[in-house]
Amino acid sequence: NAGVTQTPKFQVLKTGQSMTLQCAQDMNHEYMSWYRQDPGMGLRLIHYSVGAGITDQGEVPNGYNVSRSTTEDFPLRLLSAAPSQTSVYFCASRRGNQPHNYGYTFGSGTRLTVV
Amino acid sequence: GQQVMQIPQYQHVQEGEDFTTYCNSSTTLSNIQWYKQRPGGHPVFLIQLVKSGEVKKQKRLTFQFGEAKKNSSLHITATQTTDVGTYFCAGAMDSSYKLIFGSGTRLLVRP
Repeated sequence: NAGVTQTPKFQVLKTGQSMTLQCAQDMNHEYMSWYRQDPGMGLRLIHYSVGAGITDQGEVPNGYNVSRSTTEDFPLRLLSAAPSQTSVYFCASRRGNQPHNYGYTFGSGTRLTVV
Repeated sequence: GQQVMQIPQYQHVQEGEDFTTYCNSSTTLSNIQWYKQRPGGHPVFLIQLVKSGEVKKQKRLTFQFGEAKKNSSLHITATQTTDVGTYFCAGAMDSSYKLIFGSGTRLLVRP
């Protein structure tokens, strides 16, 4: 099993450009989420999904869109990149749609710089 | 909204000393999870606590969940250089699928 795969690992964007961060998991996990990590601020939840066709906003959703057409894939779209979106982005997944039983499996991250 | 605070932000210890990080939530949690992130790496799940007053141990690591289910702690006995990294708590509220992370405690260990 590959676990959670994120691509690309590194990306530099110009302000105003759009792009999609890819996330795929092969563990048949129902729940997937996107976090951004900035120095001193921990991980902040952007969007999450409890199953195919279902998504919801997290703590910091502005400027990002998601969709969940399949169980395996959960892409994150930046609509018009801004320097404030420079960050490390982590995708995570876990079994079940109940929060009680399982921990998250994280991808290795995408380091995004917006200039 | 739900907030999870974690202290201290940094802790620098001599190898062999103990280490503790504390986590506090503004609301009652249904469960709390702990993760470790090595420098340059991604968070790795350590443990989950669900019951009020629960205590769990993993070798030199002891995890506690408060009686009111609003605070938690991670204690490492006799730190080793392999313990270096950032430790995060993450809390989930009742009837919520959101897992909110604390800001983390970065542990540095002097050999």
